[in-house]
Amino acid sequence: EAGVTQSPTHLIKTRGQQATLRCSPISGHTSVYWYQQALGLGLQFLLWYDEGEERNRGNFPPRFSGRQFPNYSSELNVNALELEDSALYLCASTPVADTEAFFGQGTRLTVV
Amino acid sequence: GQSLEQPSEVTAVEGAIVQINCTYQTSGFYGLSWYQQHDGGAPTFLSYNGLDGLEETGRFSSFLSRSDSYGYLLLQELQMKDSASYFCAVRDLAGTALIFGKGTTLSVSS
Repeated sequence: EAGVTQSPTHLIKTRGQQATLRCSPISGHTSVYWYQQALGLGLQFLLWYDEGEERNRGNFPPRFSGRQFPNYSSELNVNALELEDSALYLCASTPVADTEAFFGQGTRLTVV
Repeated sequence: GQSLEQPSEVTAVEGAIVQINCTYQTSGFYGLSWYQQHDGGAPTFLSYNGLDGLEETGRFSSFLSRSDSYGYLLLQELQMKDSASYFCAVRDLAGTALIFGKGTTLSVSS
């Protein structure tokens, strides 16, 4: 069974540009979570999608947005990139109401 | 809202036992989970406590006390490969987002 896959693995952008990160959940999983992990910091919750809808978002500005597609894959968009957006962005999927989240390997975003 | 507190760092030697504590504040509560993350890797699930008490999985055990809003992860017979960050996480009763603590970095030396 394929795990959670994220693309790209690395992304370098210039300040002010937009970044798009993608996540494919495990087959059968309908919930997708996005987290930001800056160097030396924990996992900061960004967004939660389930059944195509945004269910909850963390304490991040509106320039962080995303969507979930009918096949449950998801996209995270970060507009007007700032230097402090440089981080590892992790996606996780869970079956509905399950207790275990499965993580992808992440996208390392570097803003220069 | 939810918040979780755990120590930032713990050090131990091979073969020892270490306990990583987690205290939480949530508006409701669904369960406490633990995840392990090695440097540069993805977090992986270790254990889940939905009810009070101890859950054992090999060398790792996890404990929950709902009345004390407290849990811990116990790692026994430590090995070098256990050096990693350990995160506790909660999901509240409404099943809203899975929220993580800031993580505890465990360093195991020989």
